[in-house]
Amino acid sequence: DQQVKQNSPSLSVQEGRISILNCDYTNSMFDYFLWYKKYPAEGPTFLISISSIKDKNEDGRFTVFLNKSAKHLSLHIVPSQPGDSAVYFCAAWEGTSGTYKYIFGTGTRLKVLA
Amino acid sequence: DGGITQSPKYLFRKEGQNVTLSCEQNLNHDAMYWYRQDPGQGLRLIYYSQIVNDFQKGDIAEGYSVSREKKESFPLTVTSAQKNPTAFYLCASSPSGTHPYGYTFGSGTRLTVV
Repeated sequence: DQQVKQNSPSLSVQEGRISILNCDYTNSMFDYFLWYKKYPAEGPTFLISISSIKDKNEDGRFTVFLNKSAKHLSLHIVPSQPGDSAVYFCAAWEGTSGTYKYIFGTGTRLKVLA
Repeated sequence: DGGITQSPKYLFRKEGQNVTLSCEQNLNHDAMYWYRQDPGQGLRLIYYSQIVNDFQKGDIAEGYSVSREKKESFPLTVTSAQKNPTAFYLCASSPSGTHPYGYTFGSGTRLTVV
């Protein structure tokens, strides 16, 4: 059963507009979250993180929002640029029951149209 | 420069042959991970190692084997028992296996079995 879900496999946005990527999780014990960006045939690179004690974290054009009650996080990219076209993965830290690892979502492919 | 190196980038093998994928890191990280990426499936965890001389099965360990004899190295062997070995394989490392530090990924190895 998928504990971290990215329900939108793909998203297209015009250059300069806002991109919103969503991620849902099922385990309320998850307490740290990451977003990664991945280009084809390359490894993912870290983008931004958020701890469960916060509801927002901002880094330049990238902002992550966390809604713990809804078990939902989102990544906002403003303004979107063609170089942002990539696959984005969210990941949740599982640190209970002796298991320590990140669980990744299935990814959302973002295409920014020039 | 510190980083994580996967080699080779592309690998072709005949069906029925075992093949070993290399992963080396010079980041002095304790933990290392192997993921497999298939289209539409996201990143699925094969094996992970929180510390040298120790490793655990991930979600899809069947048909794979690993060793962690040195801190810097975490090779993955894809055995002939793996039913669908053709995939993109990613290695990652983290400073600690028990704290939510982000993972650093290698650039991946694309394995094609013919």
